[in-house]
Order: sequence, then structure tokens, then C-alpha cells
Amino acid sequence: DVKVTQSSRYLVKRTGEKVFLECVQDMDHENMFWYRQDPGLGLRLIYFSYDVKMKEKGDIPEGYSVSREKKERFSLILESASTNQTSMYLCASRTTGAPGNTIYFGEGSWLTVV
Amino acid sequence: GNSVTQMEGPVTLSEEAFLTINCTYTATGYPSLFWYVQYPGEGLQLLLKATKADDKGSNKGFEATYRKETTSFHLEKGSVQVSDSAVYFCALKATNAGGTSYGKLTFGQGTILTVHP
Repeated sequence: DVKVTQSSRYLVKRTGEKVFLECVQDMDHENMFWYRQDPGLGLRLIYFSYDVKMKEKGDIPEGYSVSREKKERFSLILESASTNQTSMYLCASRTTGAPGNTIYFGEGSWLTVV
Repeated sequence: GNSVTQMEGPVTLSEEAFLTINCTYTATGYPSLFWYVQYPGEGLQLLLKATKADDKGSNKGFEATYRKETTSFHLEKGSVQVSDSAVYFCALKATNAGGTSYGKLTFGQGTILTVHP
């Protein structure tokens, strides 16, 4: 089974702190994604990476950056956390090969910024 | 741009009732359509998908048909169970002009379903 692991399920951080959210997948997937989930808004794409060291902005990249130095790991960075970044963050991955369309999600990281 | 609109929730049903969750979309080209489910405390799981017009996706008693003429992908189940209580997300994956999308999904806002015994 494909496994997408988010290392931290629950975090509480202070305003202005630098925050790292880590995601690891074990299926050699090329594409990886970071979404945030907010009530009434569904999931919104922050950044995605289509291969190692490659990244592109999603729909709401402001206040975030990402790093993909190794194929299995995709990190989301909040350079200076703010209270409006309190949310559930979901990592996902996908292979470009068959059965290419399936995207697998991690269990999510609940971040509270105080 | 691409967008997905789901019916407002929450939806509350009794066990064995019929379920419909409406989903309509706006997209250029020929998107693939998905329903994801999120059980309490968990990430999203793919429930079913359809990749072209008139395809029917089905899984665990749930069904949805890709209707290009009405740009819809409504989720249905004939008899819900308490264990179906979850949040349901409709999503699309559009193909860009170059033929690649890298799997980027556009989601609806989610519909909370609660099923009572």
C-alpha cells in the first residue's frame, strides 16, 4: 500500500516562528502536493512539486515556501507563522505512471498559531 | 479558471436512507472527476472517479456519473450506514493545453454527512 506520512499530526506554534511541516512518501512518486483545508473552503493548493528540486506555486502560496531535495520528501515552510495560517495541512503524492490518476493523501497536520 | 461547487451541508440522514450530494463543475477541456471521503481524524481517501463523459464511477455502494451536458458529478448511495458518516469532497483534475496537469486537483468545499441509527 502507498503510504504518505506527515511527521507531525498536531502542532502549536507562536506568531513569528518558522515552522516546518514534513511529508514523506514511500512509492517513488514524482509529484507531491501541499494543500490546506479550512471549513467551508475545501482544500486549496499551496505548492506542488513535479519532480526533485522542481516546484510551482499553487493557488495560495503567499506566506509559504517549499523544499524538495529528495524525491521522497516534500517540506512546507512557514517563514514567519501568523494566526491566519492556523489550519489543517494535507500532503499528497502521485505517480505519473500507471495508474497515474490516483492521488494519495497523508493523514494531515493540524497547525495552531497563537 | 476551474471550480467545483458542492451542495451545502451538513446533511443528516437516518440509516438506510437514500443519499444524494450534488456536485457541479466549471473547467476547460475534459477534466477527470473524483469523489474523496475523509473520515474523522483521517486524511482523504479516493472514493471513486470518472475520467470521461458518461463514465460511472462506483465503490462501496456509492455511484456517480460524469454528465458533460450538465457539468455535474452527483454522488449517490441507495442505503447509507452509520459508518458512512464523513466529509465528502468533489474534485476535478483538468488537463492543461500542453496535456499535463501534474495531478493538481481543484476541490469543492466539502459536505459533512452524518448518519443516525
